[in-house]
Amino acid sequence: TQLLEQSPQFLSIQEGENLTVYCNSSSVFSSLQWYRQEPGEGPVLLVTVVTGGEVKKLKRLTFQFGDARKDSSLHITAAQPGDTGLYLCAGERQGAQKLVFGQGTRLTINP
Amino acid sequence: NAGVTQTPKFQVLKTGQSMTLQCAQDMNHEYMSWYRQDPGMGLRLIHYSVGAGITDQGEVPNGYNVSRSTTEDFPLRLLSAAPSQTSVYFCASSYRSGGAREQYFGPGTRLTVT
Repeated sequence: TQLLEQSPQFLSIQEGENLTVYCNSSSVFSSLQWYRQEPGEGPVLLVTVVTGGEVKKLKRLTFQFGDARKDSSLHITAAQPGDTGLYLCAGERQGAQKLVFGQGTRLTINP
Repeated sequence: NAGVTQTPKFQVLKTGQSMTLQCAQDMNHEYMSWYRQDPGMGLRLIHYSVGAGITDQGEVPNGYNVSRSTTEDFPLRLLSAAPSQTSVYFCASSYRSGGAREQYFGPGTRLTVT
């Protein structure tokens, strides 16, 4: 059983459309992160959220941490082909000393 | 700074062989970890270390050993390779920033066990 469930697992949309990726859990996390991974490379950190209800924006990407700190979402506005990649959420529980990852969302943006 | 480096980039082993995956970081991070990535399963933690001389098991430690004699290096040893260990392996180092652990990943080692 995955501690962090991401949905959808695959998403293919046209350039210019909007999309949202979800990361859900029944556990409470002290922090939650989003990474992007391109083929043949390691994941790269996009953002960290630590406060329930927190919203962070990174250009066309908006990240939200749920009020109860059990879930998070990533919203992309006007998607571009350069947004194509594997998006991973990862959470750290209080005092756990380790990150747990969701299974990832493979996003394809078609020109 | 080179960041996190991993060698080799690709490796093919026969069942029963042993090998060591190397990982080094030059950012003076205390925390290092090893993950494996399999299709549809995200990243699963194998072992981690919170500092030199200290290691602990993650979710999937069986068949792997680690040691941490220096802050910079964190090698992963496969004792007797099995086909189930075919995977992509990532090493990461991290530090705490604003109450969260921010991880930097190496480029990965793609391992095939036949």
